[in-house]
Amino acid sequence: ETGVTQSPTHLIKTRGQQVTLRCSSQSGHNTVSWYQQALGQGPQFIFQYYREEENGRGNFPPRFSGLQFPNYSSELNVNALELDDSALYLCASSLELGGPDTQYFGPGTRLTVL
Amino acid sequence: DQQVKQNSPSLSVQEGRISILNCDYTNSMFDYFLWYKKYPAEGPTFLISISSIKDKNEDGRFTVFLNKSAKHLSLHIVPSQPGDSAVYFCAATLTSGTYKYIFGTGTRLKVLA
Repeated sequence: ETGVTQSPTHLIKTRGQQVTLRCSSQSGHNTVSWYQQALGQGPQFIFQYYREEENGRGNFPPRFSGLQFPNYSSELNVNALELDDSALYLCASSLELGGPDTQYFGPGTRLTVL
Repeated sequence: DQQVKQNSPSLSVQEGRISILNCDYTNSMFDYFLWYKKYPAEGPTFLISISSIKDKNEDGRFTVFLNKSAKHLSLHIVPSQPGDSAVYFCAATLTSGTYKYIFGTGTRLKVLA
């Protein structure tokens, strides 16, 4: 059983650019959540995907979008990057069993926007 | 509006002693709580959870206590070990709808040898 992996590890972009971050969920997990962790803060919920459909969204603008694929991989896309988007982006997978199943986190992608 | 608060940014404890990490929440609808540990350059790792129908849950050296009336939970680590040095996050969620976690800002625990 493999864990949650994310790529790339680090990324530097400039303001206005677009970025795609990738996540490979733990095998068998059909739910993936994305979080943004700014420096000195706890992770903040961006959105969740369940069986390839968005299943809830936090307080983030539409320029944050996502996709989930049948092979358990997923993407977080951010358009029109702003300086405040600089953060650690975490994905977490879980096997939804009708309850708050434990979410397993990847190591994160550190995004720097200049 | 910070719905989950960890008011102590850091805590230092001697090896072998008890570590107590605290967490407060404001939303009385939260009914499931979790603690995660995070080392540098790694994602958060699940430690222990508790449902609101319980007031205590133990797993080895880790015990979580929940006081619903005070909207307060705490994590006890006994005995503390140097390998426990990490940032600890508490998280809360609702057992209905999207199981998004609301995280606190974290407490950095340092266990001194």
